[in-house]
Amino acid sequence: DTAVSQTPKYLVTQMGNDKSIKCEQNLGHDTMYWYKQDSKKFLKIMFSYNNKELIINETVPNRFSPKSPDKAHLNLHINSLELGDSAVYFCASSQDKGLAGLAGDTQYFGPGTRLTVL
Amino acid sequence: AQKITQTQPGMFVQEKEAVTLDCTYDTSDQSYGLFWYKQPSSGEMIFLIYQGSYDEQNATEGRYSLNFQKARKSANLVISASQLGDSAMYFCAMREAFPNDYKLSFGAGTTVTVRA
Repeated sequence: DTAVSQTPKYLVTQMGNDKSIKCEQNLGHDTMYWYKQDSKKFLKIMFSYNNKELIINETVPNRFSPKSPDKAHLNLHINSLELGDSAVYFCASSQDKGLAGLAGDTQYFGPGTRLTVL
Repeated sequence: AQKITQTQPGMFVQEKEAVTLDCTYDTSDQSYGLFWYKQPSSGEMIFLIYQGSYDEQNATEGRYSLNFQKARKSANLVISASQLGDSAMYFCAMREAFPNDYKLSFGAGTTVTVRA
């Protein structure tokens, strides 16, 4: 009964390949996110989706394309993988209703996907 | 500009003692939320505690408490009675109400090592 799940947990691939990471949440949340954690452990938002609508695209190369087939799923597809894409990618979700002024909704994270590009 | 600053890259604490992790933030919003997460060596991100900018009381959750000083823009995490299982990296994060883009801005993290 994992709240936010990601697959795969580990992904090792060659430069130039295309790969996808899947995320599912069973919390009934409206908003889902992708974060990237680099080798120095710094976490940065990549995308957020609210009710399947893209809200944030935070200066991410267009080789990265999120897809939200429904509110419970947010997948990340990466084309033409590069060495610098190696990182841990976290999916997260929160119960946000999109009302201006609300800042208190906790984001719950998935277990992370460690991507290694060789 | 960095929105969240954690100045302690690493700390050691003796088991059963308390430890304070520093976090300062930068925002011009009146409405914002502050969060602390724990990342053990296994890698997952675990939510610990939340403080809203309008909350008058400091947040507490079990052995975790948040020392919120709004005028100083600080939100320090206090872990009381440290346990070996508290060894982990701890991240302070902030969400601002405007723009309402939902994102969390994270600090660089503090690694805590609890010694027996």
